[in-house]
Amino acid sequence: GQSLEQPSEVTAVEGAIVQINCTYQTSGFYGLSWYQQHDGGAPTFLSYNALDGLEETGRFSSFLSRSDSYGYLLLQELQMKDSASYFCAVRSDRGSTLGRLYFGRGTQLTVWP
Amino acid sequence: DVKVTQSSRYLVKRTGEKVFLECVQDMDHENMFWYRQDPGLGLRLIYFSYDVKMKEKGDIPEGYSVSREKKERFSLILESASTNQTSMYLCASSPTSGGLRSYNEQFFGPGTRLTVL
Repeated sequence: GQSLEQPSEVTAVEGAIVQINCTYQTSGFYGLSWYQQHDGGAPTFLSYNALDGLEETGRFSSFLSRSDSYGYLLLQELQMKDSASYFCAVRSDRGSTLGRLYFGRGTQLTVWP
Repeated sequence: DVKVTQSSRYLVKRTGEKVFLECVQDMDHENMFWYRQDPGLGLRLIYFSYDVKMKEKGDIPEGYSVSREKKERFSLILESASTNQTSMYLCASSPTSGGLRSYNEQFFGPGTRLTVL
């Protein structure tokens, strides 16, 4: 089966850097994604890694190590508006499950002033 | 902008009622998904569809069915609502074409918070 592990909560102060880790076990692997969800809102796509290494998009970066089945989301220069839940997700191309994602349980990030 | 809309933001139903949740996307996406979200459990996939009239069970299909008669519309049906189906229901869509990222980027609707009394 598929399983993803990420911390349930992380706290940090404004201006700081925070890293949210995700480890996964899947029978097939075609990419690790990250989603952000504010309270009462819909999840929105943040980033995607198919290959090992770091992908940077503004203040957010995402890293993947396929050999370690591990990735992380790095948030820099934290702002209050970054307080949200963050989900990692992996894609499995196994047979008819083409295109579906498996989501972690989410990490609640709280940013303090 | 990709838009995924859901028929209701809040819904209250009684135990045993048949409930229809509608989802419409306007970007001609092939894939559509229904999730439920409960505190501490993340996003759990109920059903998904990769083409009209096609459906695949997700991780928690029991008590639910789906219908996809048109490409843009994906309906979730609770045949006989029960209190343990009280939850937030999220619909999403994603394209098939567009490269590797396309499968990984799902576009979500605003959600329907369903309460079953």
